[in-house]
Formats: sequence, structure tokens, C-alpha cells
Amino acid sequence: GAVVSQHPSWVICKSGTSVKIECRSLDFQATTMFWYRQFPKQSLMLMATSNEGSKATYEQGVEKDKFLINHASLTLSTLTVTSAHPEDSSFYICSAFSDRFSQYFGPGTRLLVL
Amino acid sequence: GQQLNQSPQSMFIQEGEDVSMNCTSSSIFNTWLWYKQDPGEGPVLLIALYKAGELTSNGRLTAQFGITRKDSFLNISASIPSDVGIYFCAGLGAGGTSYGKLTFGQGTILTVHP
Repeated sequence: GAVVSQHPSWVICKSGTSVKIECRSLDFQATTMFWYRQFPKQSLMLMATSNEGSKATYEQGVEKDKFLINHASLTLSTLTVTSAHPEDSSFYICSAFSDRFSQYFGPGTRLLVL
Repeated sequence: GQQLNQSPQSMFIQEGEDVSMNCTSSSIFNTWLWYKQDPGEGPVLLIALYKAGELTSNGRLTAQFGITRKDSFLNISASIPSDVGIYFCAGLGAGGTSYGKLTFGQGTILTVHP
């Protein structure tokens, strides 16, 4: 299957700092990528849709100024958590479309804000 | 947001037993996907279903897309310890503002005793 990578796999930061997470499609081009957030023992919650060459669209309740998304190329989308707080600690996962409308997920990034 | 109703929430089985889990939705989806997630990892696509009534196998896994396009089941035959994990069903939005967006079930936690 298609491969999606994320970097870093885990990050610990101080409250108030910003953290950037990268999502790459390694063997296919993705005009659309998605960012999810997952809390322990819960399902994935869609945060936003990242569109190459245009602004991201955010789900209701997700602050666009808090979670900045940039889809710089057909293989790279970045999520920046600005002014991170402890409540932003979570597991962030991206996904990308491959062919036939199947979505493939990255391995996730675990964020811990102290 | 909307979620699919996935059951059971958890299962404890003996190695070698067969497993069945299902998802239902009040909305129609054109594509159903089944994922498995290991702890600390992103979901891995197991089976994708594109046609109503479609029955698809992937090794010991079998999944069917309901005729009404509002439900799906996943069967695992002859379970083995590495089947342990969380299984998610997901419906894929087809058009408009839902294009490409996945709606997830709550997940089924599978434990396999050797």
C-alpha cells in the first residue's frame, strides 16, 4: 500500500512554544491530506483538510489560528501547533488519498506539552 | 460530529477463534474502509469496499459492504495473537463538503489470549 510518513514521531515541548509536524506522501502525490487528533482510547477526530495550493478547511470547533496548516507541495503538508498548552497534548495523525479513494495514514506524532 | 456505530466495543477471545464486528450508519457512504491500529501507531488500511453488497477478502479477513450502503461487517478467521489491536470502520464522504472526509466508528478493541 501507499506510504505516508510523519516527522517527528514524538515531541515534548514547553507550554507557549510552537511545534511543527510534517506529513509526507512518499510514493504518490496527494492534493488533499487530512489531519486528525486522537485522545487515549478514543477514535480519530478530524481536525482539518489540507489542500495543496489553497487554504485549509477546518472542522467546527478547531481554531485555525491555533493549528496552522500549510500544504506546500503535492507530497508535503505541515501542521503547526502554535502557543502550545498542556491540553494540546495528544496523538496527531495525518492521512492522504491514494488511488481509488483509499486513505492511508501516517504513523502519528505524539505531542506532550509540559 | 457524526460517528458510525461500531460494535462490539471490545472482545476477548482465545487464539484460533473467529471474530466478527460490524458498523452501522444513519447515512449512506459510497466507500467503507476497515483499519487496524496498534498502540502508538497510525491506522493501517485492511480492506476497502466500494460497491454495495461487495464481499472482499484479505487473507484471514473478510468484509462486506451492506446492500443499503449503511452498514458493513468485518470477520477475522482463526485469530492469532498479532491480531490484537483496535479495529476501526470508516465511511468515506463522496461529495460536496464531505469529499474525502472519513467518519469513524468508535473502534473495537480486540484481545487474543494464546
